[in-house]
Amino acid sequence: AQSVTQPDIHITVSEGASLELRCNYSYGATPYLFWYVQSPGQGLQLLLKYFSGDTLVQGIKGFEAEFKRSQSSFNLRKPSVHWSDAAEYFCAVGAEANTPLVFGKGTRLSVIA
Amino acid sequence: GAVVSQHPSRVICKSGTSVKIECRSLDFQATTMFWYRQFPKKSLMLMATSNEGSKATYEQGVEKDKFLINHASLTLSTLTVTSAHPEDSSFYICSARDSAGGDTDTQYFGPGTRLTVL
Repeated sequence: AQSVTQPDIHITVSEGASLELRCNYSYGATPYLFWYVQSPGQGLQLLLKYFSGDTLVQGIKGFEAEFKRSQSSFNLRKPSVHWSDAAEYFCAVGAEANTPLVFGKGTRLSVIA
Repeated sequence: GAVVSQHPSRVICKSGTSVKIECRSLDFQATTMFWYRQFPKKSLMLMATSNEGSKATYEQGVEKDKFLINHASLTLSTLTVTSAHPEDSSFYICSARDSAGGDTDTQYFGPGTRLTVL
């Protein structure tokens, strides 16, 4: 069975600082990996995704993530955080494109001045 | 990108009443849609897979007679919470995949529906 672990429940960073959100997955084959962001009371917005190919993927809003098969990880990074990045971030894994996603428990990002 | 809408965005109802939530893919066709439930400060949990023209597939522990799903067209799936009780209060989110063209490898999520049962 697939599973996703986001070890950090809450992270606080200063505006302008770099950010890395951790995600580890469990899946037997090459998974479909996603990062979504959710603002309070809102739905999910796709930041980026990985299916195959280049293991460093670029997403929207300056985010990127790197797939590391040996570590079963798909960490999300951003070189300089903006206050508007404060939100809940979810890592998700799917077996195929048309299968439901399994989500991690999320990491809440707070940004301070 | 593809857009998924949900209606209503927020609903408050009395205990014992039924509530219908709509999920629409606005600019693409979706043979499969998914319904998730999110509790406060919790992750999303899959409730069911909605299949156009056939019965929905429910996850273990989800009462199919309580959460009725109808996927009558390629752009619309509805979730009806029957005889709602306060414990059904939650944030319900649907997702859909473009099954006909465009980016078929991504699920697009609706903005969610906040249900409060008094």
